[in-house]
Amino acid sequence: GESVGLHLPTLSVQEGDNSIINCAYSNSASDYFIWYKQESGKGPQFIIDIRSNMDKRQGQRVTVLLNKTVKHLSLQIAATQPGDSAVYFCAERGGPTSGTYKYIFGTGTRLKVLA
Amino acid sequence: EAQVTQNPRYLITVTGKKLTVTCSQNMNHEYMSWYRQDPGLGLRQIYYSMNVEVTDKGDVPEGYKVSRKEKRNFPLILESPSPNQTSLYFCASGQGAKNIQYFGAGTRLSVL
Repeated sequence: GESVGLHLPTLSVQEGDNSIINCAYSNSASDYFIWYKQESGKGPQFIIDIRSNMDKRQGQRVTVLLNKTVKHLSLQIAATQPGDSAVYFCAERGGPTSGTYKYIFGTGTRLKVLA
Repeated sequence: EAQVTQNPRYLITVTGKKLTVTCSQNMNHEYMSWYRQDPGLGLRQIYYSMNVEVTDKGDVPEGYKVSRKEKRNFPLILESPSPNQTSLYFCASGQGAKNIQYFGAGTRLSVL
């Protein structure tokens, strides 16, 4: 499969524990934020999103938190499972002043789930 | 099955030899985009297209061209590839206000 990064920060979590992956974004005008999961040999896959007018959004086993004051985004995964092992990327979409459909991705975090 | 298809999946070429990476989506999405992925740099947007005949530069457009003559296809063209374009390339498509993007499986390009 395709390798996505040789020197990514890695988070190792025991199976069943909760995982928290953090991301700092760059543009205070960004209006929309997304988390993607990328498994080896595959393209990124959408997990959850949040608009800039919210500070928390929950999905199935996942929660995204947005702190606009410090330009910080986090992804929380509850009861982490072996299938959650992957690289996780945050992405921001520029607001109207920077081109609504330009996306900037973070460098990614590798999540390793330990049995 | 809804999908974004890229071809080829792997390509080795030499400096200066023009190449095209094709991308096709079957979801009738208006938005399509190309990214490159390099170790330590994440995904960087090359070009995107909001609709047929509408394309815009992303963050790293130099050395690339795109065209959007029909909705389903968005080829990436490297007129004169150079070794610094060796990378993993992804095509994506999306639709609607949220424009959630669906990605292809990637094209690994090596320019010697």
